[in-house]
Amino acid sequence: KNQVEQSPQSLIILEGKNCTLQCNYTVSPFSNLRWYKQDTGRGPVSLTIMTFSENTKSNGRYTATLDADTKQSSLHITASQLSDSASYICVVSAYPGGYNKLIFGAGTRLAVHP
Amino acid sequence: DSGVTQTPKHLITATGQRVTLRCSPRSGDLSVYWYQQSLDQGLQFLIQYYNGEERAKGNILERFSAQQFPDLHSELNLSSLELGDSALYFCASSPNRGPDEKLFFGSGTQLSVL
Repeated sequence: KNQVEQSPQSLIILEGKNCTLQCNYTVSPFSNLRWYKQDTGRGPVSLTIMTFSENTKSNGRYTATLDADTKQSSLHITASQLSDSASYICVVSAYPGGYNKLIFGAGTRLAVHP
Repeated sequence: DSGVTQTPKHLITATGQRVTLRCSPRSGDLSVYWYQQSLDQGLQFLIQYYNGEERAKGNILERFSAQQFPDLHSELNLSSLELGDSALYFCASSPNRGPDEKLFFGSGTQLSVL
């Protein structure tokens, strides 16, 4: 069964601190892994997309890593800001042919406090 | 602003009723996806259209139907509504096809069935 599991479920950090969110997946056939940021009441916004051959990808203060052997990914946020408070969703894409089958994790809810 | 417009933003209705959710994709995007997000759950794929034709179906109930019109806007029809249908419904559009297809999400329609 295709599954994406994220941890922790929620996290509270102080402004300026770093944090790392985890994602484990069992998806076949694997196509790529994406991280999205979802603000409350808004749609998800893409942060990174990584294919099988990519180990790391950065987008500003966000750095995603992928270990395709262990089927794990992480999202590291550096020097957090209040605006980073959101849900972060790990999404794995299976491409069985003709369309993108995106399997969404339940997300990690991050709260950044001053 | 992703450029994807969903209306209405909020919808409150009673069990047994029928509602229609509307999505206008980004200009030029041919592909439209519909997702359901229940409380504290990951997004669940419902259905995808590409240039007016149904491309893929996910966990969409028989009480639900959708279509994409010649002007590329899409509608999701939900009938015989049940309490469990209360959720956020997202539409996403995409400018390209293939495994690295990038999805742009609307802000969603919050459906409350009382």
